[in-house]
Amino acid sequence: AQSVTQLGSHVSVSEGALVLLRCNYSSSVPPYLFWYVQYPNQGLQLLLKYTSAATLVKGINGFEAEFKKSETSFHLTKPSAHMSDAAEYFCAVSVWGSQGNLIFGKGTKLSVKP
Amino acid sequence: KAGVTQTPRYLIKTRGQQVTLSCSPISGHRSVSWYQQTPGQGLQFLFEYFSETQRNKGNFPGRFSGRQFSNSRSEMNVSTLELGDSALYLCASSTGRGDEKLFFGSGTQLSVL
Repeated sequence: AQSVTQLGSHVSVSEGALVLLRCNYSSSVPPYLFWYVQYPNQGLQLLLKYTSAATLVKGINGFEAEFKKSETSFHLTKPSAHMSDAAEYFCAVSVWGSQGNLIFGKGTKLSVKP
Repeated sequence: KAGVTQTPRYLIKTRGQQVTLSCSPISGHRSVSWYQQTPGQGLQFLFEYFSETQRNKGNFPGRFSGRQFSNSRSEMNVSTLELGDSALYLCASSTGRGDEKLFFGSGTQLSVL
């Protein structure tokens, strides 16, 4: 069965510093991989989606993620953190043959210090 | 274009009661998925409806059920509520054509006392 592991439940960075949020999926390559962001008391917003078209995926708000099959990873990065990036981030994979069904990681809460 | 709308935003119920949550998808979207979010278990898939039919189901007991109407609006029902059902219930809509881009509503926060 598919699984997603997010390393680090909490990550703290200074404003302007690099953001790196880690995500590993189980060995079989899923159809799609995603990163979502959740602000307090809100639903999830799609940051970016990986298909097989390109290994480096650019998303909204300056985020990007790189798919590395050899490392079964899909880490999320942003060159320079902004205070407004403080939120919880979820990595997710889709399930073969089960539409609408995403398996989510436990989430990483990002704090940005001024 | 209006986003996904979930009502009500907050609900307080007592054990043993039942509850119905509502979700209106983005116009033109025919697929609605439901998720439960708790601090302990995280986000878990409940079920997905497409064109009024349940296409996929997660690993939840039969107390959790849903339906979809001809206008793609969906309802989720939980019967015989338990304390452990306290959670944020999120609805997501998509085209249902396999691109898997889910657009989420703000959720219904259910508290069971």
